[in-house]
Amino acid sequence: KAGVTQTPRYLIKTRGQQVTLSCSPISGHRSVSWYQQTPGQGLQFLFEYFSETQRNKGNFPGRFSGRQFSNSRSEMNVSTLELGDSALYLCASSLEARRDNEQFFGPGTRLTVL
Amino acid sequence: GNSVTQMEGPVTLSEEAFLTINCTYTATGYPSLFWYVQYPGEGLQLLLKATKADDKGSNKGFEATYRKETTSFHLEKGSVQVSDSAVYFCALSDKNDYKLSFGAGTTVTVRA
Repeated sequence: KAGVTQTPRYLIKTRGQQVTLSCSPISGHRSVSWYQQTPGQGLQFLFEYFSETQRNKGNFPGRFSGRQFSNSRSEMNVSTLELGDSALYLCASSLEARRDNEQFFGPGTRLTVL
Repeated sequence: GNSVTQMEGPVTLSEEAFLTINCTYTATGYPSLFWYVQYPGEGLQLLLKATKADDKGSNKGFEATYRKETTSFHLEKGSVQVSDSAVYFCALSDKNDYKLSFGAGTTVTVRA
């Protein structure tokens, strides 16, 4: 069974631009979560989607948004990029994100903002 | 809110040494607890989990016991190998919370 895939793996943008990252969950998984990983802040939750509905959102500005499609694939968008948005963005999928449900992580997209 | 505190690294060990990484948590209710591992250039992999008090999670020689009285979930391995070199994250998931809350991560380096 294929794992979680994320595209692109690496991205370089300049301040003020916007970016869209894509995540394809494991087949059959309906929940997709996004996390930002930085050396200073560690792993922080961005949002979680299930059946095209956002169920939970982390403490990030409105420049960060996401969506989920009917096939469970998900995208996240960051508008008006800032230098501090440079990070590894990780996507995770699960059958249904519950307290004891394992989340399977993709390899991440490394975003560099210049 | 929920939070996880891990011992700070980095931790450097020799092969066959004993490894312990401390993890304590703060949560409302009774969370599930996890240890994830991240190898260089990769995403996170679930190492083990425990869903209720006194549960012991184990995998690949690693163990951790859910201690409600001390709100802890310390990770241990009796004899580490070079291949165990990685960053280890303690995490929790609350009952109604569709997310994982992570600790800061502990970098472990095992020398031959």
